Amino acid sequence: EDQVTQSPEALRLQEGESSSLNCSYTVSGLRGLFWYRQDPGKGPEFLFTLYSAGEEKEKERLKATLTKKESFLHITAPKPEDSATYLCAGYVNAGGTSYGKLTFGQGTILTVHP
Amino acid sequence: DAGVIQSPRHEVTEMGQEVTLRCKPISGHDYLFWYRQTMMRGLELLIYFNNNVPIDDSGMPEDRFSAKMPNASFSTLKIQPSEPRDSAVYFCASSLLGGSIAFFGQGTRLTVV
Repeated sequence: EDQVTQSPEALRLQEGESSSLNCSYTVSGLRGLFWYRQDPGKGPEFLFTLYSAGEEKEKERLKATLTKKESFLHITAPKPEDSATYLCAGYVNAGGTSYGKLTFGQGTILTVHP
Repeated sequence: DAGVIQSPRHEVTEMGQEVTLRCKPISGHDYLFWYRQTMMRGLELLIYFNNNVPIDDSGMPEDRFSAKMPNASFSTLKIQPSEPRDSAVYFCASSLLGGSIAFFGQGTRLTVV
């Protein structure tokens, strides 16, 4: 069964304290790894897509990386407005078809204190 | 574009009642997804459509759940009869290609009492 596991479940940082979130996956036929941000009461908002091991994407204070078994979301000098739940998702084959679908991890709740 | 629009934003209903959730995808998008989010199980894919045709409904929990997409600009998720364990936030999302960015709506928070 395809699985996407995120750690830690929750992370509290002081403003400016850099850290990383982990997303490990055991899926067959990974076609892409997605990162989303979700604010309370809202739907997930797309951040990055990574397609091959070694690939990196950056956006402001966030950088996503991908290996053959996991992905990291690095947060450099975070600010309180970076507080949110960060979700990763594996884009995998939908069984028996040529289509694909996203399988989400449980998310990491990030809180950045001023 | 206004993004993916879901209605209602909140729904409180009694056990046994029929519930219909609605979604308008982004114009031009040919994939539409229904997800359910709970604290225990996270974000789960229920069903998705391509060009209005259901492709994968393996995530639909049971026969009480049904989804339709009568045209490219409208989809419904129906629960009949509803049960307290159906309480969750239901999201609709759409994308232009199956593997591309999925844009999510604001969700419908369903409470079944």
